[in-house]
Amino acid sequence: GDSVTQMQGQVTLSEDDFLFINCTYSTTWYPTLFWYVQYPGEGPQLLLKVTTANNKGISRGFEATYDKRTTSFHLQKASVQESDSAVYYCVLEPSPNMGYKLTFGTGTSLLVDP
Amino acid sequence: EAAVTQSPRSKVAVTGGKVTLSCHQTNNHDYMYWYRQDTGHGLRLIHYSYVADSTEKGDIPDGYKASRPSQENFSLILELASLSQTAVYFCASSEEGGYAEQFFGPGTRLTVL
Repeated sequence: GDSVTQMQGQVTLSEDDFLFINCTYSTTWYPTLFWYVQYPGEGPQLLLKVTTANNKGISRGFEATYDKRTTSFHLQKASVQESDSAVYYCVLEPSPNMGYKLTFGTGTSLLVDP
Repeated sequence: EAAVTQSPRSKVAVTGGKVTLSCHQTNNHDYMYWYRQDTGHGLRLIHYSYVADSTEKGDIPDGYKASRPSQENFSLILELASLSQTAVYFCASSEEGGYAEQFFGPGTRLTVL
């Protein structure tokens, strides 16, 4: 079945470090992909969305790049701040025959030390 | 102000007891969802609904029921709570299905003892 994989369970950085979170997907079509972010004590919220048409999304200083050749969807930020500490989920849009179900990765917990 | 609210925010239940988690949205969205969050599993879909008085099973519906009495309200019901249902539960809404943005509530932390 369709799936997304986030191998990095936890990432610890210092302020101003470069962030790179890896995500790979497995589908039989070219999906729209999302990054959702969950801050402590809150529900997830959409960070950015990337379709097959544009291949790249930018929001709040984060950039996500969609690579069909390697079926990857990485999230990066040039300089992280303590306020970026959160869990980041790579999310796959529903498959054509699966209606409304988003598929969430297992999440990458980012801790930024001040 | 929050567009998706959940109640209670935290609950302790006994094994075998009945638990009802409530969700209310003011987004005027047709679609609503219940997810469960566990460490190492991310978010998994339990039930969803795209119209009042109708619910659909998600990936892990066993042991859960859902009720959508109106567009604004969506409940998750655990008829016989079990230890394995200890988790954080999130409700979400979206204007459409598919790749529409989902708006999440703050979550309910359920502990079953």
